[in-house]
Amino acid sequence: AQKITQTQPGMFVQEKEAVTLDCTYDTSDQSYGLFWYKQPSSGEMIFLIYQGSYDEQNATEGRYSLNFQKARKSANLVISASQLGDSAMYFCAMREGWNAGNNRKLIWGLGTSLAVNP
Amino acid sequence: DADVTQTPRNRITKTGKRIMLECSQTKGHDRMYWYRQDPGLGLRLIYYSFDVKDINKGEISDGYSVSRQAQAKFSLSLESAIPNQTALYFCATSDPADTQYFGPGTRLTVL
Repeated sequence: AQKITQTQPGMFVQEKEAVTLDCTYDTSDQSYGLFWYKQPSSGEMIFLIYQGSYDEQNATEGRYSLNFQKARKSANLVISASQLGDSAMYFCAMREGWNAGNNRKLIWGLGTSLAVNP
Repeated sequence: DADVTQTPRNRITKTGKRIMLECSQTKGHDRMYWYRQDPGLGLRLIYYSFDVKDINKGEISDGYSVSRQAQAKFSLSLESAIPNQTALYFCATSDPADTQYFGPGTRLTVL
């Protein structure tokens, strides 16, 4: 069965330091996609970054980068130069592969709570 | 203006009442979703719709129903609310690459 695992329920980081949030996935599909979302305390879900399984380069979006290790089935989010506003829940999600056909959906992890200390 | 809007943003209701949560989007996406979020349980899919004529049950559809009135509108109904339906509810749309865009959420409390 396809699954996303986020093993860190909570993380702390000092402001201006980098932090890595772990995400491992399980799938037998060859084609899939991986997403990271941020949920601040205000509640909204914000899309951060996407990595396709065939993308050769790791995805980057500003201070966010995705450390994609296909053989290890991991898609860790790296936040560089942490800011106080980065304090939030972070969710990893995987798009079901093309084997799911037109009904493919996102499979979600349970999230990691990140606190940035001043 | 927000691309995905949800009304109401907050709602307190009583057990047994019927309640409707509404979602509208201006992104022009065909695919829409309803999720609920409970502490420690992440996001769970209630229903999803890939076009106006296509409605599918998610993993926790019991006690809920939906209506896709138009490409831009997708409503979630609780026919007879119960306390364990107290949760944060999200509507989302997705683009052809399956990136999902969320509404601001509705905090529902059932007393």
